[in-house]
Amino acid sequence: QKEVEQNSGPLSVPEGAIASLNCTYSDRGSQSFFWYRQYSGKSPELIMFIYSNGDKEDGRFTAQLNKASQYVSLLIRDSQPSDSATYLCAVNDYGGSQGNLIFGKGTKLSVKP
Amino acid sequence: DTGVSQDPRHKITKRGQNVTFRCDPISEHNRLYWYRQTLGQGPEFLTYFQNEAQLEKSRLLSDRFSAERPKGSFSTLEIQRTEQGDSAMYLCASSPAVSSYNEQFFGPGTRLTVL
Repeated sequence: QKEVEQNSGPLSVPEGAIASLNCTYSDRGSQSFFWYRQYSGKSPELIMFIYSNGDKEDGRFTAQLNKASQYVSLLIRDSQPSDSATYLCAVNDYGGSQGNLIFGKGTKLSVKP
Repeated sequence: DTGVSQDPRHKITKRGQNVTFRCDPISEHNRLYWYRQTLGQGPEFLTYFQNEAQLEKSRLLSDRFSAERPKGSFSTLEIQRTEQGDSAMYLCASSPAVSSYNEQFFGPGTRLTVL
C-alpha cells in the first residue's frame, strides 16, 4: 500500500513567520512530488511541484526534496492570513496507472494576524 | 475561462437514484482523471483517461460507477443506485500530454449529497 503521510495539524504561525509543512512517502520509485493548497469547500490548487533533490523556489514558496529520506517539504516565507488553508502533498504513482496522484490527508495551516 | 470545468457544482439525490457528472478539461490536455474526496481526507484516485481510452480504474470504483470520454474531450462519471456512502466531492483533473511530470489541474468539483 503506497502511502503519503502528513501531520494533520493544525499548524499555527504568526503573520510574517515561516511556515514549514512536511510530508513523507513510502514508494522509493516515486519521481515527482506536488503541493496543492485547498481552501475550505474549494478544490485543490497546484502551487508547486518538484522532481529533483534539493530546493525549488517560487516567490514566497520553497519546495524541498530528499529522495534518500523519502521526504518532501514546503516552506512559506512571510506567511499571510490568506495562506490559511489545507496543504496537500501528492506523489505521482508511476507504478500504477501511469500517473495518478497519491495524496496525503493534508496539513491545516492557520496564519494569525 | 480556460480552466477545468465541472457540472453540476452541487447535486442532492435520494438513495437509489442515478447521477451523472460532467467534466471539461483544459483544451490542450489529453489526460483526464477523476478523484473522490471526503471530509478530512485527501483526494482518492478513481479512474484515468488518455484521450478516449480509459487506462486505469481504482479498486474504489465499484460496478455502480462508470466513466466515459467518448471523443477524448469531455468526460462523464455516472453513479448508479447511489448509496449514502457515495456522498463526497467528485473532482476532475487534467494534465498536458507534453508534461513528463504529470502536473494535474483540478476543476471546482461536484459535491454530491445522497439522502
